[in-house]
Amino acid sequence: EVQLVESGGGVVQPGGSLRLSCAASGFTFSDHYMDWVRQAPGKGLEWVGRIRKRGNRYTTEYGASVKGRFTISRDDSKNSLYLQMNSLRTEDTAVYYCARAGYGDGDYWGQGTLVTVSS
Amino acid sequence: DIQMTQSPSSLSASVGDRVTITCRASQGITNYLVWFQQKPGKAPKSLIYVASNLQSGVPSRFSGSGSGTNFTLTISTLQPEDFATYYCLQYNSYPRTFGQGTKVEI
Repeated sequence: EVQLVESGGGVVQPGGSLRLSCAASGFTFSDHYMDWVRQAPGKGLEWVGRIRKRGNRYTTEYGASVKGRFTISRDDSKNSLYLQMNSLRTEDTAVYYCARAGYGDGDYWGQGTLVTVSS
Repeated sequence: DIQMTQSPSSLSASVGDRVTITCRASQGITNYLVWFQQKPGKAPKSLIYVASNLQSGVPSRFSGSGSGTNFTLTISTLQPEDFATYYCLQYNSYPRTFGQGTKVEI
């Protein structure tokens, strides 16, 4: 069974940093591109970014609102995906989901982890 | 960036109704479109990919169609568990972009 489990969310002050993790199981993690998607309270879904697999040199893509502040990485030996978030703003407050790209983007999702940016 | 416009933003329906939700892309995306269902407090669930392929385990009352810029999600006979918010996502190009969502209410 495919499972994605996010962790690392919490409360952080504006300008601060936070690192989210996503632990994957039930599939060959190294074979898949992986995404981060977020959802602000009461709002719609926003794509944060993607990391490709080893064969594509682990290259990344980012949404405009996070580019230059957020970094996506992965450790295939640990079946884990990461999101390093720096220079956090109040508008980054959201539930952050990791999602697998397989049968289309987002064929499996984690349960999400809440990040609150507040002073 | 490609803009995805869903309509309607919300709708009221009854069990047994046929429901149609549309998604329009600001430029052609061939058929690189996914439909998701999201229930309150839960992660989105993929229903349909490449515009018309049903994900494994998704009931056959869900169907998708379209290509280019105009896409449709149809629920043939609405069931109680289908009351949720539905999103489209284009994955033709970066950045990926979602529609704003359609809330299906009783």
